Amino acid sequence: QIQLVQSGGEMKKPGASVKVSCKASGYNFHSYGINWVRQAPGQGLEWMGWITVSTGDTYYAQNFQGRFTMTTDTSTSTAYMELTSLTSNDTAVYYCARDADFDSWGQGTLVTVSS
Amino acid sequence: QSVLTQPPSVSGAPGQNVTISCTGSSSNIGAGYDVHWYQQFPGTAPKLLMFGNTKRSSGVPERFSGSKSGTSASLAITGLQTEDEADYYCRAYDNSLSGSLFGGGTKVTVL
Repeated sequence: QIQLVQSGGEMKKPGASVKVSCKASGYNFHSYGINWVRQAPGQGLEWMGWITVSTGDTYYAQNFQGRFTMTTDTSTSTAYMELTSLTSNDTAVYYCARDADFDSWGQGTLVTVSS
Repeated sequence: QSVLTQPPSVSGAPGQNVTISCTGSSSNIGAGYDVHWYQQFPGTAPKLLMFGNTKRSSGVPERFSGSKSGTSASLAITGLQTEDEADYYCRAYDNSLSGSLFGGGTKVTVL
């Protein structure tokens, strides 16, 4: 079955960077894109960006352009997101989700930013 | 400003029917882009409920249905059950943002 398994929670200080991984299995990783979505505590879902795995093309939400990077490693079927210059406002659960329909989701990775 | 507007909450007794609206604009729903719906239980990842406006994802009960008209879409639950108590989000592509846009979410409470 299709699975997206994300890396574990992270605790970071303001100004630091965080990198979250999303390992895919159960389907041809190369054939589908990956979205990244975040959810602040008690808040709704916020789309961050999309990467087309086959070409490496990326599309970033305007709110994150400049400090957010998405990459993939097709040899391990893993997608990565990196967010830099963290502030307390970046404290959230970060999810990866497959393809244009967001039809499968990772379990989420809690990133806590605190001094 | 691009936004998808959902009511913060809806409620109903078991067996009743409820509807969640998702109101957009000419840059998203009104531009013809499909609307998708996600169900999220506390502490868990969202799950795809409906895609392509009206299609149920695999395993989703028939009591869930979707519709779209003009700049709005709706998710209906016919015969509400206690296990339907969750948060629901609509999503559509927005061409002014060049990306996906989520509604603010609606909490469904079963009385």
